[in-house]
Amino acid sequence: DQQVKQNSPSLSVQEGRISILNCDYTNSMFDYFLWYKKYPAEGPTFLISISSIKDKNEDGRFTVFLNKSAKHLSLHIVPSQPGDSAVYFCAALGGTYKYIFGTGTRLKVLA
Amino acid sequence: DAMVIQNPRYQVTQFGKPVTLSCSQTLNHNVMYWYQQKSSQAPKLLFHYYDKDFNNEADTPDNFQSRRPNTSFCFLDIRSPGLGDAAMYLCATSREGQVRQPQHFGDGTRLSIL
Repeated sequence: DQQVKQNSPSLSVQEGRISILNCDYTNSMFDYFLWYKKYPAEGPTFLISISSIKDKNEDGRFTVFLNKSAKHLSLHIVPSQPGDSAVYFCAALGGTYKYIFGTGTRLKVLA
Repeated sequence: DAMVIQNPRYQVTQFGKPVTLSCSQTLNHNVMYWYQQKSSQAPKLLFHYYDKDFNNEADTPDNFQSRRPNTSFCFLDIRSPGLGDAAMYLCATSREGQVRQPQHFGDGTRLSIL
């Protein structure tokens, strides 16, 4: 049973526009969430995180929004750049040192 | 640069022949993790070490073992690989004592079973 879900396997966006990647989770006890970016032939790299005591966290072009009542989080990338083309994984901390990942969304930013 | 290094990047083994994947880190992180990722699936945590304390996930098959001889190195041993064990294996580390820290990943080892 998938506790962290990324229902969109892929997304295409024009350069300069906003990219919105979505993630849903099932366990209301999760209280820390992360986004990772993965390029081909490389491991995932940390992008941004959010604690459940916040509903928004921003880092440059990247903003993560958390809606606890809906058990939903989203990653906004503004403006999108071709170098942002990658697979994005959402993850939740499900216990001490236990990170639960979604299946990823492949973002393609079109020049 | 401090990093997590996995060797080899690609490993081919025969059905039933034991195989060992290795991971080293220069970050001096006390927690090390092994994940299995199959095509189009989420990375799945197999186990983690907090220092020398080994923590196995409940659904990790007995066929998978791990060793951590020191802070820098961690090994994944697959005793009798089956076709279903073909996957990308990712090693990650995180900083001791601060649970809410992101993990640092290696580039993975892709394991093929003949």
